[in-house]
Amino acid sequence: DSGVTQTPKHLITATGQRVTLRCSPRSGDLSVYWYQQSLDQGLQFLIQYYNGEERAKGNILERFSAQQFPDLHSELNLSSLELGDSALYFCASSVALLGGGDAEAFFGQGTRLTVV
Amino acid sequence: GENVEQHPSTLSVQEGDSAVIKCTYSDSASNYFPWYKQELGKRPQLIIDIRSNVGEKKDQRIAVTLNKTAKHFSLHITETQPEDSAVYFCAPQTGANNLFFGTGTRLTVIP
Repeated sequence: DSGVTQTPKHLITATGQRVTLRCSPRSGDLSVYWYQQSLDQGLQFLIQYYNGEERAKGNILERFSAQQFPDLHSELNLSSLELGDSALYFCASSVALLGGGDAEAFFGQGTRLTVV
Repeated sequence: GENVEQHPSTLSVQEGDSAVIKCTYSDSASNYFPWYKQELGKRPQLIIDIRSNVGEKKDQRIAVTLNKTAKHFSLHITETQPEDSAVYFCAPQTGANNLFFGTGTRLTVIP
């Protein structure tokens, strides 16, 4: 168990709908990262939050948004869903050391989203 | 952001042979070089890492070597076993702690 919790584990929804994925980081970790992993693909970085603020953005679609709350849990919102959004969405957390240093990322078990 | 490439994208080896995966990065400020392993249907997990002041690190059958001048680091697995079959990702980091992963290498160990 990595200490990172993602809910739900599985989600099936129809095209055009909106869903929210939730992530609780490890206790003490201030950074949360979101990734999309399509079938047999790599880990596509979507967005990073650090202590409630957006820190970095990857290839995140405009239909997607995220936030990190004061208790450090994070939510990824996916709207106007398309068939191509079907993927495994991972959340990871780390102790981000500002100005440098190593930061192992601990991953949740992922949310498998299926858009039908 | 960091431009990260991994080679090869797929690798098949006979059990007992060695495997080497190379990760090339673009940001000369990178100072932390981890490798993650993702088994089928599971989450990625850190298996070994190295920092910029070290050239090589070994942990049993796995090792990581770093060439900062050439901006690449490699994962070495010796005496491969079927349980080493997985996808391996590198994720070189700078002080900004952005986590961009390489494209992944699918390793298959043939019994």
